[in-house]
Amino acid sequence: AQSVTQLGSHVSVSEGALVLLRCNYSSSVPPYLFWYVQYPNQGLQLLLKYTSAATLVKGINGFEAEFKKSETSFHLTKPSAHMSDAAEYFCAVTKGGSARQLTFGSGTQLTVLP
Amino acid sequence: GAVVSQHPSWVICKSGTSVKIECRSLDFQATTMFWYRQFPKQSLMLMATSNEGSKATYEQGVEKDKFLINHASLTLSTLTVTSAHPEDSSFYICSAPSGGGSHEQFFGPGTRLTVL
Repeated sequence: AQSVTQLGSHVSVSEGALVLLRCNYSSSVPPYLFWYVQYPNQGLQLLLKYTSAATLVKGINGFEAEFKKSETSFHLTKPSAHMSDAAEYFCAVTKGGSARQLTFGSGTQLTVLP
Repeated sequence: GAVVSQHPSWVICKSGTSVKIECRSLDFQATTMFWYRQFPKQSLMLMATSNEGSKATYEQGVEKDKFLINHASLTLSTLTVTSAHPEDSSFYICSAPSGGGSHEQFFGPGTRLTVL
C-alpha cells in the first residue's frame, strides 16, 4: 500500500522568499509521485510529476521537486514566491504499472505575505 | 491538456432528495473515472472507481446504495447521491486518467453539494 505524509498543514512565506513544501511517501513498489495545486472551490491542477525518469522534476509556474529515494521524499520548491502561489498543495502517489488510483496527502495551505 | 468537466458546479437540495452529478471527458475517452470527496480544509478521499461497461468499485466505508455510479459511455460518468442528508454536503471531484503511460489524471472543477 502507498501513503503520503505532508509535513506542515500551513506554510507562510514572504513574497520573493523560497517556498518549500514537504512530502514523504511510503510505497512497497517504485512510486509515481505528483504535486497538485488547488485554488478555492476549484479542481486540482497538476504542477509536476515523477515517473521514474529524472529525479529532479521541473513543473509549471517555476515549481520543481526532487525525488530522493534514500529519504523517501519528494519535496516541492520554488525559489521566489509570488502572491498568486497562495493555494492548497497536495502531494499524491500511485503505484507504477497499470494502477491509476491516487492516494493524496493531507495538503499544505501556502500563504504568501506581502 | 485534456479537459474534464463537471455539472453542476454547485447544487443545493433538500434533505431526502437525490442529486445527480455528471463528469465528462471532453476531448478524450475514459474507460475509468474516479470520484473523490473533499470536506472543507481536508484532503481528497477516493470514493469509488467508475468503470465503463461494468460495476463501479467502491472504497471501504462508502455506501454503494447511497452513492450510485453509472459509467454510461466512454466520456460520461455520473454520481447520484440518493436520499441526501446534511452530512453528505461536501465537494465532489471526479478525475479521468490520461491514458497511455503518463499516469497523469485530469480533474474536473468539482461540484459543491449543500444539503439543507
